[in-house]
Amino acid sequence: QQQVKQSPQSLIVQKGGISIINCAYENTAFDYFPWYQQFPGKGPALLIAIRPDVSEKKEGRFTISFNKSAKQFSLHIMDSQPGDSATYFCAAVVGSQGNLIFGKGTKLSVKP
Amino acid sequence: EAEVAQSPRYKITEKSQAVAFWCDPISGHATLYWYRQILGQGPELLVQFQDESVVDDSQLPKDRFSAERLKGVDSTLKIQPAELGDSAMYLCASDRFQQYSGNTIYFGEGSWLTVV
Repeated sequence: QQQVKQSPQSLIVQKGGISIINCAYENTAFDYFPWYQQFPGKGPALLIAIRPDVSEKKEGRFTISFNKSAKQFSLHIMDSQPGDSATYFCAAVVGSQGNLIFGKGTKLSVKP
Repeated sequence: EAEVAQSPRYKITEKSQAVAFWCDPISGHATLYWYRQILGQGPELLVQFQDESVVDDSQLPKDRFSAERLKGVDSTLKIQPAELGDSAMYLCASDRFQQYSGNTIYFGEGSWLTVV
């Protein structure tokens, strides 16, 4: 089974701090790497995504850094806010197959 | 705003009983997915439909799970008999494209199953 390994399992950050979540993969056929945000009782929602031909993508306070040679990618949340408290999942997909492979998730708590 | 509807939201069932979940995708979305999310883990694909046809059910435990999308619109996921290890959230998602494109796949709020 293809896997995406995610760490840490949980993360506590002070308001205004930087949250960093890391993921690693093995399958070089993956060609799209999205991050999903999930609030309690809700389904996952797309947050930001990157393709392997780009090393970094930024959208507002959220940045993905991608290291193709190391087969690693990470999510950085700048100026973390209590409203960012949620579970974050990295994922990978072979676009032609359409099957999202999720990491195990990181529960982020941002303390006021 | 259009959304993927799922019911029931919560279900408690006894071991060995049958249980069914229903999903109504966003109108016009040809692709429908069922995922299982065990507490503390990421969603895992159970089955993917394109219209009424199964595209991928390789991870569906076919001895007890079945899924159908008879008219290519709404879908039902059934478990019979339920086992304790089936306790999880069952997520439905839909997409207007067959190939994943990121911002066109939408997840429902899920159906929580507890097997006692």
